[in-house]
Amino acid sequence: SQQGEEDPQALSIQEGENATMNCSYKTSINNLQWYRQNSGRGLVHLILIRSNEREKHSGRLRVTLDTSKKSSSLLITASRAADTASYFCATSGTSYGKLTFGQGTILTVHP
Amino acid sequence: EPEVTQTPSHQVTQMGQEVILRCVPISNHLYFYWYRQILGQKVEFLVSFYNNEISEKSEIFDDQFSVERPDGSNFTLKIRSTKLEDSAMYFCASSGAGGMSLYEQYFGPGTRLTVT
Repeated sequence: SQQGEEDPQALSIQEGENATMNCSYKTSINNLQWYRQNSGRGLVHLILIRSNEREKHSGRLRVTLDTSKKSSSLLITASRAADTASYFCATSGTSYGKLTFGQGTILTVHP
Repeated sequence: EPEVTQTPSHQVTQMGQEVILRCVPISNHLYFYWYRQILGQKVEFLVSFYNNEISEKSEIFDDQFSVERPDGSNFTLKIRSTKLEDSAMYFCASSGAGGMSLYEQYFGPGTRLTVT
């Protein structure tokens, strides 16, 4: 299995602080994608990082990938109450292959 | 901005009944997927579809499940005889537009299926 497993399971911070979520997986990957899910809603695509990339930025998001450690991190800077959601990493072994999701990190940002 | 749409948003059905969940993927995408998420659990892959055929399926996707792309826009998931354990949120996704977003899978809002 190439499951992504997130750490921590839950994270509670104050508005303006940075939030870091980690993801580990077991087998080689083609790409790793991060998603956000608001309670009971759909999955919103945040960012994709390919196996030959080490870092990507998108707005307040920074993703790193360490293939030697089979791990990735998602950093949200200057968090806002609206960032409150569950965050999932998902790995794929091929370019268009199935995504294998982790359990997710529940992020709560207090105003 | 283009998005994946799904209908209905909520479907309630009795055990043993057939249900069809509908999806309209992003128009220039080539790869289509179904996933499901049982309440409180991980999102699980069901099936992927490319060039009018299944490219991969999971163990969950047994003979009770089928997918179809009946026309150029719709992508459907059929469950022939629903079971209580089929109750879940079902997500459709699509990818493969080219350029930087080639491999990104974009998800629809989901259909919540409740089997009673």
